[in-house]
Amino acid sequence: NAGVTQTPKFQVLKTGQSMTLQCAQDMNHEYMSWYRQDPGMGLRLIHYSVGAGITDQGEVPNGYNVSRSTTEDFPLRLLSAAPSQTSVYFCASSSAQRGIYEQYFGPGTRLTVT
Amino acid sequence: SQELEQSPQSLIVQEGKNLTINCTSSKTLYGLYWYKQKYGEGLIFLMMLQKGGEEKSHEKITAKLDEKKQQSSLHITASQPSHAGIYLCGAVPIQGAQKLVFGQGTRLTINP
Repeated sequence: NAGVTQTPKFQVLKTGQSMTLQCAQDMNHEYMSWYRQDPGMGLRLIHYSVGAGITDQGEVPNGYNVSRSTTEDFPLRLLSAAPSQTSVYFCASSSAQRGIYEQYFGPGTRLTVT
Repeated sequence: SQELEQSPQSLIVQEGKNLTINCTSSKTLYGLYWYKQKYGEGLIFLMMLQKGGEEKSHEKITAKLDEKKQQSSLHITASQPSHAGIYLCGAVPIQGAQKLVFGQGTRLTINP
């Protein structure tokens, strides 16, 4: 199994540009989440999904959109990038069977907005 | 909202020494999860604690949850370079919530 994969690994955007961060998992996990990590602030939840077709907001959802059309994929869309969205983004997945809080994380996408 | 405070924020120890990282909550914890992050990588799940007074060990890492379920500690015995990284605690904010809230992390450096 590849586990949780994220693309791209690095991205530089200009203010106002839009883009999609990709996340995929091959473990048939029901739960998927997006976090951002900023220095001194730990991980903050952006959006999460408990299954295909179901998404919900986390702590910091503004400026981001998600959709979950399949179990495997959970893309994160930045609508109009701002410098405040410069961060490292992590996608995670988990299963009800093993415990939804025992999450498997992807390697991260480092995003810089200039 | 649930807030998790980790201390210290960073820690430098000599290889072979013991160390402790703390995670304190402003509210009762319904589940406490410890993760480790190697520099530049994603997080790896370490241990889960749910009951007051619970203690779990994995190799040289021991995690405890106090009886009041508001504080957890992570203790590493005889630290090794492989223990270096960022340790984060995560908690279930309310019972039944389908998400975790994380502390700000503790950066651990092991000097040879």
